[in-house]
Amino acid sequence: SQKIEQNSEALNIQEGKTATLTCNYTNYSPAYLQWYRQDPGRGPVFLLLIRENEKEKRKERLKVTFDTTLKQSLFHITASQPADSATYLCALDAGGSYIPTFGRGTSLIVHP
Amino acid sequence: GAGVSQSPSNKVTEKGKDVELRCDPISGHTALYWYRQSLGQGLEFLIYFQGNSAPDKSGLPSDRFSAERTGGSVSTLTIQRTQQEDSAVYLCASSFKPGLANEQYFGPGTRLTVT
Repeated sequence: SQKIEQNSEALNIQEGKTATLTCNYTNYSPAYLQWYRQDPGRGPVFLLLIRENEKEKRKERLKVTFDTTLKQSLFHITASQPADSATYLCALDAGGSYIPTFGRGTSLIVHP
Repeated sequence: GAGVSQSPSNKVTEKGKDVELRCDPISGHTALYWYRQSLGQGLEFLIYFQGNSAPDKSGLPSDRFSAERTGGSVSTLTIQRTQQEDSAVYLCASSFKPGLANEQYFGPGTRLTVT
């Protein structure tokens, strides 16, 4: 069956360090993968999109990698700040489908 | 410009009643998605619209759920004869076109509580 896995345990890191979040998937061949940020009581906010033929994408302090062999995407936040504390969701499509499937998200807590 | 708006923000209803949830997407966005998010759960896809058509309704949990979109704009999600398991946050998102090649803009959600 198709599965998307994100670490259910919260990631606690110290301010200034790099946070790395993982999104693993099985039985998908996604053409696109997206990362979103969700704060409590709010809808998700789009962060980055990466295509299947791209290895890496960067935007300011954010970096996403996409390894279709390992079936994994890594999401990095460098020089993390307490304001980065939120839940981060990955979403992918089933290769050509218009229906996104979201992971359950990983909570990031950045301590000052 | 205005983002995606949803109303009401909160809705408490008695089991067995019908509810209507509304979504106003960003102007010009042809695609509109409905999701459900339960506590600690991921976003569960319900239905999406391309224009006024719903090509895929496979995510709707039961025939008590229906949705429509008119004028390529506003969408309404209707839940008939609500059950306690329908309690969740219902999120709407719009994008320029359907599919994950396009970023989705989410509304703030409607928190539905069925008592």
